[in-house]
Amino acid sequence: NAGVTQTPKFRVLKTGQSMTLLCAQDMNHEYMYWYRQDPGMGLRLIHYSVGEGTTAKGEVPDGYNVSRLKKQNFLLGLESAAPSQTSVYFCASSYRHQIPQETQYFGPGTRLLVL
Amino acid sequence: GQQVMQIPQYQHVQEGEDFTTYCNSSTTLSNIQWYKQRPGGHPVFLIQLVKSGEVKKQKRLTFQFGEAKKNSSLHITATQTTDVGTYFCAGPSGGYNKLIFGAGTRLAVHP
Repeated sequence: NAGVTQTPKFRVLKTGQSMTLLCAQDMNHEYMYWYRQDPGMGLRLIHYSVGEGTTAKGEVPDGYNVSRLKKQNFLLGLESAAPSQTSVYFCASSYRHQIPQETQYFGPGTRLLVL
Repeated sequence: GQQVMQIPQYQHVQEGEDFTTYCNSSTTLSNIQWYKQRPGGHPVFLIQLVKSGEVKKQKRLTFQFGEAKKNSSLHITATQTTDVGTYFCAGPSGGYNKLIFGAGTRLAVHP
């Protein structure tokens, strides 16, 4: 049981390049989330998904796109990377049940540097 | 919009000293969760508080939820080097188990 995995672990991009971050979970969770973590700002939600084929915007969605073609996978895309997107990206997942609130399980993170 | 604030941003203690981090929400929360992130690691769930005035303990860690359900605290008694990391509080944000996180308190423990 691997939990939540993310690839790649680290990437360097040049401004304008594109890339896709992959998140996979083997816990059969319905909900999945992408966050970015910047110093002094905690974790901010980029996009989330409540099921296969569905996605929704979070707090800071600009410059990112997502897709969830399979329940276990959640992809985060950067079409044209900018230095402001230098960050650590975390994927998380949770069960659907919300009484009172399910916890989130995080992946190990992807460190992205945009030059 | 909804905000969750944490103080202090950073605290440096000598091993054996106590540590407290405080979390304040701009809105009443139905519950609050605490996560710990070790240096270079990912956030890991510690605990959830639901009831007004609730106090829960995990060994040397004591978590408290305020009476008005707008604030919370985490107190660590007699810190150890294994306590090093960043502690985040998080409250529910708009359903679907979404969370809004505080900025975190980074704890450094010197032996």
